[in-house]
Amino acid sequence: DVQLLESGGGLVQPGGSLRLSCAASGVTFSSYAMSWVRQAPGQGLEWVSTITGNGGSTYYADSVKGRFTISRDNAKNTLFLQMNSLRVEDTAVYYCAKLAISGDYDILPWGQGTLVTVSS
Amino acid sequence: QSVLTQPPSASGTPGQRVTISCSGSSSNIGSTNVYWYQQLPGAAPKLLIYRNNQRPSGVPDRFSGSKSGTSASLAISGLRSEDEADYYCATWDNSLSGWMFGGGTKLTVL
Repeated sequence: DVQLLESGGGLVQPGGSLRLSCAASGVTFSSYAMSWVRQAPGQGLEWVSTITGNGGSTYYADSVKGRFTISRDNAKNTLFLQMNSLRVEDTAVYYCAKLAISGDYDILPWGQGTLVTVSS
Repeated sequence: QSVLTQPPSASGTPGQRVTISCSGSSSNIGSTNVYWYQQLPGAAPKLLIYRNNQRPSGVPDRFSGSKSGTSASLAISGLRSEDEADYYCATWDNSLSGWMFGGGTKLTVL
């Protein structure tokens, strides 16, 4: 089965760091651009970052630029998000997702996400 | 404030047809594909519509998407209680070089 499984979330103090991982299974991971999307408690979806299939290009929301770094290990079918200088407003459930879809054949269901809580 | 504008709420009675709008600009909806997601309470978002009007297999044909100019719409016909959820539009923005989500529409089935 095609599956995305996020991990690495937890409680961290403001100014701290966390590294999120997203393991993909049942899919040719290296073919796809992948993204991180977050959802603060009771709020809507917010795009965070995207990386191309070969890792050559990365894109970031202004709210995280300079603090977060997206990367991937295609040999291990894993997507990462290194989060530094965390702020209270970064508190959210973080989902990895494939946002650009061409057909039924390349749809990846979203995982359940991983919760990041930034609090002192 | 989101680059893509959705009404915060919508409602209908069982069996009715409801439409949710998503308004953008020439740099996003006007020049790229629109996607729609359904998020049931406590669950992860689920893809409902891709490439403006394509339904993934398994999504009932009660759900349909359309796009005209810089606006898009999601229509739900034969409304059912299980359709009560949050709905989000999404698209790539060429000017901002990033994905954009609408603010979300909470659909209530009365």
